[in-house]
Amino acid sequence: ETGVTQTPRHLVMGMTNKKSLKCEQHLGHNAMYWYKQSAKKPLELMFVYNFKEQTENNSVPSRFSPECPNSSHLFLHLHTLQPEDSALYLCASSLAGVDPDTQYFGPGTRLTVL
Amino acid sequence: RKEVEQDPGPFNVPEGATVAFNCTYSNSASQSFFWYRQDCRKEPKLLMSVYSSGNEDGRFTAQLNRASQYISLLIRDSKLSDSATYLCVVYNNAGNMLTFGGGTRLMVKP
Repeated sequence: ETGVTQTPRHLVMGMTNKKSLKCEQHLGHNAMYWYKQSAKKPLELMFVYNFKEQTENNSVPSRFSPECPNSSHLFLHLHTLQPEDSALYLCASSLAGVDPDTQYFGPGTRLTVL
Repeated sequence: RKEVEQDPGPFNVPEGATVAFNCTYSNSASQSFFWYRQDCRKEPKLLMSVYSSGNEDGRFTAQLNRASQYISLLIRDSKLSDSATYLCVVYNNAGNMLTFGGGTRLMVKP
């Protein structure tokens, strides 16, 4: 399935590095989401974009910076991360206003911070 | 109290068994309810929505009790391929947000 794609699939970075995660959806959706999934914890919603406008920021540290240039692309810019930020980062999309509650997930980026 | 609470398991069952998972949610204003399935090291995928009247999809039956804020998933005639983590998910359209439970792990053994 290629509805929602994410790159890279795996990323190892040092605490002083800057990197970006990319998500692209090919479903014609207009809402996109970033989630964090840590070991033994539920998925945590980080950011929500509806029609390219950020509508939710769940108290996420500023070392995570989202960007949504258009309704098909979503980025998560990372800088000066901590080892506890190591997790699976999942992107999802949905059709806001029509079918807002059915979200389709990308395969995730498994991030390791050294 | 967690917003969406599930028994993490694991539930170890033999092939052909019937297994039931439960989930409770704390926000009485929640509007929609789902079960997602997540295979090891893969993304979550929608398994089924949960309707107030209860709904069935093949071997899977979902029930919702709004008064008790309780959701269930019943799997009949378990297959090896049912082994996965089952995520209870609650939707609240204030903020267009899904809230996920921690998941219940199922392992079906031959």
